[in-house]
Amino acid sequence: GIQVEQSPPDLILQEGANSTLRCNFSDSVNNLQWFHQNPWGQLINLFYIPSGTKQNGRLSATTVATERYSLLYISSSQTTDSGVYFCAVPSSSNTGKLIFGQGTTLQVKP
Amino acid sequence: EPEVTQTPSHQVTQMGQEVILRCVPISNHLYFYWYRQILGQKVEFLVSFYNNEISEKSEIFDDQFSVERPDGSNFTLKIRSTKLEDSAMYFCASSDQALGTQYFGPGTRLLVL
Repeated sequence: GIQVEQSPPDLILQEGANSTLRCNFSDSVNNLQWFHQNPWGQLINLFYIPSGTKQNGRLSATTVATERYSLLYISSSQTTDSGVYFCAVPSSSNTGKLIFGQGTTLQVKP
Repeated sequence: EPEVTQTPSHQVTQMGQEVILRCVPISNHLYFYWYRQILGQKVEFLVSFYNNEISEKSEIFDDQFSVERPDGSNFTLKIRSTKLEDSAMYFCASSDQALGTQYFGPGTRLLVL
């Protein structure tokens, strides 16, 4: 089945710094979602981005489907950005089953 | 903004007991999912449900697990005889399209003692 790999596994930033998180996937996909898991465990939708670039405030994401990767950019990071960031892609079964990466754990220090 | 809700938020149970986790998907959504996340690990797919049928289930989703949409709003996951390794966060998700954006509920944290 499709494999999803995220890098880096861990990231520590000072408040105000910028960062780039990467998600690689092993096969062509119809869509890709980025999530933020906050310290309470909730999965918050960030982006649904099968291709191209989207921006939402300080966050933006780019998916290059032909090269099988997506990037999540966080600019001017804040302590509230801390948590785990997951990307997920649908399996080839077309039932909507999402395959998640292992996540990037981000800690933003004040 | 519509959201997926889940109850209870936390549940503690004894090994061998039955538990029912409840979800209310977004009202116009037709595709429903359960996922779980063991502490410190990635999110894993359990089952997808559409048109009152399971459309796909994972290897984790064995005979101890079942899902049901008992009415027009609720979607439940039942674990018949819980095991210690069932301890995890269980997420419900819904979507209006098979490959559309999935919206996740806040999760139920299940602890089996």
